Amino acid sequence: EVQLSESGGGLVQPGGSLRLSCAASGFTFSSYTMSWVRQAPGKGLEWVSAISGSGDSTYYADSVKGRFTISRDNSKNTLYLQMNSQRAEDTAVYYCAKSRAINSYLIDFWGQGTLVTVSA
Amino acid sequence: QLVLTQSPSASASLGASVKLTCTLSSGHSNYAIAWHQQQPEKGPRYLMRLDRDGSHTKGDGIPDRFSGSTSGAERYLTISSLQSEDEADYYCQTWGTGIVVFGGGTKLTVL
Repeated sequence: EVQLSESGGGLVQPGGSLRLSCAASGFTFSSYTMSWVRQAPGKGLEWVSAISGSGDSTYYADSVKGRFTISRDNSKNTLYLQMNSQRAEDTAVYYCAKSRAINSYLIDFWGQGTLVTVSA
Repeated sequence: QLVLTQSPSASASLGASVKLTCTLSSGHSNYAIAWHQQQPEKGPRYLMRLDRDGSHTKGDGIPDRFSGSTSGAERYLTISSLQSEDEADYYCQTWGTGIVVFGGGTKLTVL
């Protein structure tokens, strides 16, 4: 059974940093691309970042480019999102998501999400 | 620019059918998409992948009431025999070189 479990959310001050983790199980982690998607309160889904199966290729939404870093540790079956220079508009539930295949970024499984609140 | 367009809202009666639309931007009509459902106060759930030829692959446990179809740049999600638990937000999603895109979502109300 596929499982994705996010952790690391919480309250952070503007300008601060936070690292999210997503522990994966039930599938061959290194064979799938992965993404982070967020949802601000009352808003729709917004893609944040994606990473290839090997970790060699990373992609970012313009809204987080230069501030956030996605990475993965295939030996630990874990996906990460390092968030620096955080802003109030980064407040959202952050979801970890698995893609259908190594050469696709179509999502076919979601984690339960972790809430990040950026506030003084 | 790769964009997905969805109507903000839709409604249909209990037991009826509804067809939600996701439109791919010009030049991207051959892209596959995924449909996702988000019930109130819950995280998103993958419903299906929908290809340009209308073929679709549903996620585990997705009822037969959910189906997908295609016409040109339009990708459809049809829900038949509507139930109260189908009241939710529905998002389409696709990807291109270096980017993942979501539609704005359609809020479905079951009357």
